[in-house]
Amino acid sequence: QVQLQESGPGLVKPSETLSLTCTVSGGSISNYYWSWIRQPPGKGLEWIGHIYYNGNTNYNPSLKSRVSISVDTSKNQFSLNLSSVTAADTAVYFCARGFGGGVAANDYWGQGTLVTVSS
Amino acid sequence: QSALTQPRSVSGSPGQSVIISCTGTSSDVGGYNYVSWYQQYPGKAPKLMIYDVSKRPSGVPDRFSGSKSGNTASLTISGLQAEDEADYYCCSYAGRPVVFGGGTKLTVL
Repeated sequence: QVQLQESGPGLVKPSETLSLTCTVSGGSISNYYWSWIRQPPGKGLEWIGHIYYNGNTNYNPSLKSRVSISVDTSKNQFSLNLSSVTAADTAVYFCARGFGGGVAANDYWGQGTLVTVSS
Repeated sequence: QSALTQPRSVSGSPGQSVIISCTGTSSDVGGYNYVSWYQQYPGKAPKLMIYDVSKRPSGVPDRFSGSKSGNTASLTISGLQAEDEADYYCCSYAGRPVVFGGGTKLTVL
């Protein structure tokens, strides 16, 4: 059974960089897409971006200038960096496994981690 | 890209059927057969219920079905059960990015 687990600081100061890692267990990171999706408190889901295991990335155009997603196949991990954060970036951040054409389908998800942006 | 449009809420009685719509444009829902639907309970991660417009992952009851006409995708839940009360989100490929709907709260009366 594939499992995903997010890790990283729960509190980030404004203007700093939010960094999260997702560790994949129970399966290989190869041959799939790996997504980051966030959900502000009480609001809907927002796609941040995804990375293919070979390193190819796609990002949400509204976040593209601040987002970077990377993959480490040797550790079965992928990571999210979001720079110059503001309070609007406060959200639960989910990592997920994507598949299929378009990568709109994510079948395995982490439990999510709340990141609060505050001084 | 703009979020897909979903009704804020829908409701139905046990045993009934409900339909949740998801309206986009020819650049997303209408342009590709890559629409998925997620169910989310409060405080939990979303669960994939439908992908590629109408395909069901293993383990998802056949009470859940998806379809698409033009720029609008739909999720139909038949034989409504109390456990179906949750938030539902549609999601579509939009060229290179992926876009979500705003979410629909389903209440089972």
